[in-house]
Amino acid sequence: QKEVEQNSGPLSVPEGAIASLNCTYSDRGSQSFFWYRQYSGKSPELIMSIYSNGDKEDGRFTAQLNKASQYVSLLIRDSQPSDSATYLCAVEPGSARQLTFGSGTQLTVLP
Amino acid sequence: DTAVSQTPKYLVTQMGNDKSIKCEQNLGHDTMYWYKQDSKKFLKIMFSYNNKELIINETVPNRFSPKSPDKAHLNLHINSLELGDSAVYFCASRRGQGYGYTFGSGTRLTVV
Repeated sequence: QKEVEQNSGPLSVPEGAIASLNCTYSDRGSQSFFWYRQYSGKSPELIMSIYSNGDKEDGRFTAQLNKASQYVSLLIRDSQPSDSATYLCAVEPGSARQLTFGSGTQLTVLP
Repeated sequence: DTAVSQTPKYLVTQMGNDKSIKCEQNLGHDTMYWYKQDSKKFLKIMFSYNNKELIINETVPNRFSPKSPDKAHLNLHINSLELGDSAVYFCASRRGQGYGYTFGSGTRLTVV
């Protein structure tokens, strides 16, 4: 089993819709969770971090964490073509020495 | 001011050559990392230094050798380059446990 798994994608949504990106992780001791956005040819950019169960909202982005189910998700409301990118889920395992990344979900928002 | 800077951005070289990638951060972070990103966007950790001390050394060929002269710099030297080394290499730093990374702009290495 991979340590961090993301829904494989690619995912296409129409402009204005909600995009839902999902991630599961295997280490129950994980405490910190991050979402990165990576445009083609660019470096990953941190867009959300979440540490406690529940929802965390920042503008059009909402991160959701359920530690019992070992599940973290990212919702993008009112999706825009500029949101088209690869979204990487990153988890800090119990050892806390590094972040472990999922393989990413490629999102395309269609105008 | 660029927070984490990597040079060069592109590197095209022949098999068997030796090359280096340099990374510098001006964020005052104690921990720096090297990751390799393959063509499918998977980011795999290679090395990590905390305040000049090697703390993570994943299973990578010993042709790869990191060096950290001080906590703001982390370089990667690669000997005897092979075709399979072609990838994008990212340097990153972070403040500490519980914080996310700040990534450098990446180095696209192509071995021909």
